[in-house]
Amino acid sequence: EVQLVESGGGLVKPGGSLRLSCAASGFTFSSYSMNWVRQAPGKGLEWVSSISSSSSYIYYADSVKGRFTISRDNAKNSLYLQMNSLRAEDTAVYYCARDRGLITWDYWGQGTLVTVSS
Amino acid sequence: DIQMTQSPSSLSASVGDRVTITCRASQSISSYLNWYQQKPGKAPKLLIYAASSLQSGVPSRFSGSGSGTDFTLTISSLQPEDFATYYCQQSYSTPAITFGQGTRLEIK
Repeated sequence: EVQLVESGGGLVKPGGSLRLSCAASGFTFSSYSMNWVRQAPGKGLEWVSSISSSSSYIYYADSVKGRFTISRDNAKNSLYLQMNSLRAEDTAVYYCARDRGLITWDYWGQGTLVTVSS
Repeated sequence: DIQMTQSPSSLSASVGDRVTITCRASQSISSYLNWYQQKPGKAPKLLIYAASSLQSGVPSRFSGSGSGTDFTLTISSLQPEDFATYYCQQSYSTPAITFGQGTRLEIK
């Protein structure tokens, strides 16, 4: 069974940092591109970042470029999102999602809440 | 970035109704359109990919159609578990992947 489990969310002050993790199981992690998607409270879905299977290709939404860094460790079946210089508008539930191909996300984690507030 | 506009933003319907949700892209995206269902407090779930292909395990009452700029998601006979928010997503213009604003389907 495919499982994605996010962790690392919490309360952080503006300007602070946080590192999210996504532990994958039930599939060959190293064969899939992975993504982070977020959802602000009561709002819609927003793509944040993508990383290819071998980390050769990495992309960011303009809203996080220069502040967030996506990475993965295929030996540990894990995906990460390092978030620096956090702002109030980064407050959201962050989901990791598997790309089955053609930017079609077939499995999602349960999400981890990041709250940026003083 | 390609803008995705869904209509309506919210919809009230009854069990057994046929429901159609529309998604319009600001430019042609061929058939690079996916639909997701999200229930409160849960992660999104893939329903339809490539505009009209049903994801494995999704009931056949869900269907998708369209190409270019106009797309529809149809639920042929609403079931109680279908009341949720639905999002379209374009996968044509990568990496700038964008979603529609969502359509909230409520019980009448």
